[in-house]
Amino acid sequence: DAVMTQTPLSLPVSLGDQASISCRSSQSLENSNGNTYLNWYLQKPGQSPQLLIYRVSNRFSGVLDRFSGSGSGTDFTLKISRVEAEDLGVYFCLQVTHVPYTFGGGTKLEIK
Amino acid sequence: EVQLVESGGGLVKPGGSLKLSCAASGFTFSSYAMSWVRQSPEKRLEWVAEISSGGSYTYYPDTVTGRFTISRDNAKNTLYLEMSSLRSEDTAMYYCARERRDDGYPLAMDYWGQGTSVTVSS
Repeated sequence: DAVMTQTPLSLPVSLGDQASISCRSSQSLENSNGNTYLNWYLQKPGQSPQLLIYRVSNRFSGVLDRFSGSGSGTDFTLKISRVEAEDLGVYFCLQVTHVPYTFGGGTKLEIK
Repeated sequence: EVQLVESGGGLVKPGGSLKLSCAASGFTFSSYAMSWVRQSPEKRLEWVAEISSGGSYTYYPDTVTGRFTISRDNAKNTLYLEMSSLRSEDTAMYYCARERRDDGYPLAMDYWGQGTSVTVSS
């Protein structure tokens, strides 16, 4: 199974700061078709996860350009510029290249 | 508007069974693969089942293979998860999620329901 390791576990930030979250896979997430199926989600308190980024760097419909994804192979990063209060919650990465699909453990973005 | 509404959760004894449902609306249900994902009380997420758009293909992780069965009724726009031989470690919030595909490959779970809670305890 592809083990997904997210760091840090907790990320205290000040509003307006940039935040960066790392997600590392135990094996390459590049598919035989050359694409990499790594997604990012935000789960706000009391809500279900919502898709932010798919296939490493593509923003889902309605997601602001303050959110950006990058990476390749086994190392991926989600950056949030100019953090706002509505961005607070737990961020998860998810790989769907390999079965079973696997999630990272989550990174809690909170106010410093 | 895409809507997914789960139901059927509850308290069940170890070894018992439960059947979850997910009612879909706002999109052409029969055109999308679907998944079930659960979130433990410790907030860890785990994918537990996937079914193709037509229902012919199903996939599970080893943790639930042989105990969970995913199915769908495209005429009723409803997804199901039958769970048997339940264990305490199956206690979780269970979400259904729609899957976008990329030329036949799974791309992302793009919409999720609000979840239904399952507690396995004596």
